[in-house]
Amino acid sequence: EVRLVQSGAEMKKPGESLKISCKGSGYSFANSWIGWVRQVPGKGLEWMGVIYPADSDTRYSPSFQGQVTISADKSISTAYLQCNSLQASDTATYYCAKRKAGIGWYFFDSWGQGTLVTVSS
Amino acid sequence: DIVMTQSPDTLAVSLGERATINCKSSQSILYTSNNKNSLAWYQQKPGQPPKLLIYWASTRESGVPDRFSGSGSGTDFTLTISSLQAEDVAIYYCQQYYRSPDTFGQGTKLEIK
Repeated sequence: EVRLVQSGAEMKKPGESLKISCKGSGYSFANSWIGWVRQVPGKGLEWMGVIYPADSDTRYSPSFQGQVTISADKSISTAYLQCNSLQASDTATYYCAKRKAGIGWYFFDSWGQGTLVTVSS
Repeated sequence: DIVMTQSPDTLAVSLGERATINCKSSQSILYTSNNKNSLAWYQQKPGQPPKLLIYWASTRESGVPDRFSGSGSGTDFTLTISSLQAEDVAIYYCQQYYRSPDTFGQGTKLEIK
């Protein structure tokens, strides 16, 4: 069974940094793209970026480029999302999700449970 | 970026009736390697992560009830629920995965009339 298990909810103050994790199991972690999707409360889904753990090839949405860092440690089957200089507008649920393996098969077929990040002074 | 536009924003349908959600892409999302459109549909229920329903515009994910179907070509796509069940109340999103950044539609909220 494919599982993506994310780290727990976080409360941060404006200006602080954050690193959340997503541990994959039940599939070949290194050989499937894994990505991050943001969902502001009451709003839609925003694709942030993806990483291919085998070689750390990373693609970002221009909307998030420079604002976040996506990384992965294939030795422990874990992906990370780091956000710096948090603002109240970063309050959201962040989901990790894996793509199906295969070139062009870039939809997300499994999702983590989500990590709620609250940024407030 | 490729813009995905869904309609309607909210849809109310009676139980047992057909529900149709539309999704339009701002450009072609045809993947020429397999001649299929790079379009996925997801269902999101309150407090849950999205769930993949359909990919390649019309291929149903394993375990998804056959009342869910996807169709379309070019830049216009449709998700159809043939006979609405109470458990289908959710927000539905389309997504193009043809070109990075992948992009989602704004979502369609499906309710019971």
